[in-house]
Amino acid sequence: AQKVTQAQTEISVVEKEDVTLDCVYETRDTTYYLFWYKQPPSGELVFLIRRNSFDEQNEISGRYSWNFQKSTSSFNFTITASQVVDSAVYFCALSEADTGRRALTFGSGTRLQVQP
Amino acid sequence: EPEVTQTPSHQVTQMGQEVILRCVPISNHLYFYWYRQILGQKVEFLVSFYNNEISEKSEIFDDQFSVERPDGSNFTLKIRSTKLEDSAMYFCASSQEERGYTFGSGTRLTVV
Repeated sequence: AQKVTQAQTEISVVEKEDVTLDCVYETRDTTYYLFWYKQPPSGELVFLIRRNSFDEQNEISGRYSWNFQKSTSSFNFTITASQVVDSAVYFCALSEADTGRRALTFGSGTRLQVQP
Repeated sequence: EPEVTQTPSHQVTQMGQEVILRCVPISNHLYFYWYRQILGQKVEFLVSFYNNEISEKSEIFDDQFSVERPDGSNFTLKIRSTKLEDSAMYFCASSQEERGYTFGSGTRLTVV
């Protein structure tokens, strides 16, 4: 069965520090998708990135970068030069695709507090 | 940018009452979903809907719940006889083939 583990429940950093949020997943499917979502205090879920299991290229988008490693079943998220506006709960999620399932399985989330 | 719209944003209901949560998915999306997030916890999958029928559901989605697409635009989640533990944020989402899930801003349901 699929599972997503975000071992860090809460991280606190000072503005301009770099921070990495860890995500480890379990799946038996060969085709799957990984996601990161941001949930700010207002409560909505903001899509950040989607990766499929065949694309292990790391990705950078501004201050955000993602490191996907199939060998360790990890999909970690780094924020460079963090800002107060980055304060939110961040969720990693998995969608298995071998059997056509589309449900997203979320991790328990990491609350990031960026202090000024 | 296209949005998934959910109404109401907040609903308070008495225990035992029925509630209907409404969603307008993105118009050219084919797959529709409901998720639930109990306060302070992770987001949990409830049900997915495709081609006018349920394609997948979780153990949470028992006989108390039902979904419907009553017309070409709305997608509803009905909770019959609400319980205190149904208090949560309910998110609607939709997607196309390529699994680009777009979430609505949620309905906070409070059962008193």
